[in-house]
Amino acid sequence: SSELTQDPAVSVALGQTVRITCQGDSLRSYYASWYQQKPGQAPVLVIYAKNTRPAGIPDRFSGSSSGSTASLTITGALAEDEADYYCNSRDSSGNVWVFGGGTKLTVL
Amino acid sequence: EVQLVESGGGLVQPGRSLRLSCTGSGFSFGDYAMSWVRQAPGKGLEWVGFIRSKAYGGTTEYAASVQGRFTISRDDSESIAYLQMNSLKTEDTAVYYCTRVGGGYVHFDYWGQGTLVTVSS
Repeated sequence: SSELTQDPAVSVALGQTVRITCQGDSLRSYYASWYQQKPGQAPVLVIYAKNTRPAGIPDRFSGSSSGSTASLTITGALAEDEADYYCNSRDSSGNVWVFGGGTKLTVL
Repeated sequence: EVQLVESGGGLVQPGRSLRLSCTGSGFSFGDYAMSWVRQAPGKGLEWVGFIRSKAYGGTTEYAASVQGRFTISRDDSESIAYLQMNSLKTEDTAVYYCTRVGGGYVHFDYWGQGTLVTVSS
């Protein structure tokens, strides 16, 4: 399968913890990476190789994976974390990439 | 500082061609695979294709939606990746992002700001 499935929208209270999930058969073989996109801006990589943060990404962002599900967790969400989040991985063939449909995170 | 700058976007009629360029700086361009990702207005991200570094053959892979119409190439001497788009369709209207493929071919670690391509008569 070449699909990655995400919930379209998730909300979290300010300062609380939220988990954004991504499901797909290819995640059994390949790590997911996660991207944050704010309106009018290019996406930014926040997690790769299951749970590695690029330089400059706060440690409140973490990743995990189990079976066919990858998760992005934000511990202590801030207002500035309100954005669209996309997961991405190779497909089962390994030759192409696929993105999930994206999750719109609202911080209440 | 790693920078990727796209250029070449604009308005084009259906069936015509357009070539996008992506100029990289701040890193050894030839050592990295490069990829293109697009985003239709109000929609999610869609991977378009990528080109491996010369060390890995410089070969390309494409999404099924653009296979046979789009071609990615690279000029490492100028640190430029190209996206040649032929037989354009209205559904190709999108912001096109150039990305650098991170080590291990598992993620896109740097993104350009994107260039808008509008396919319309």
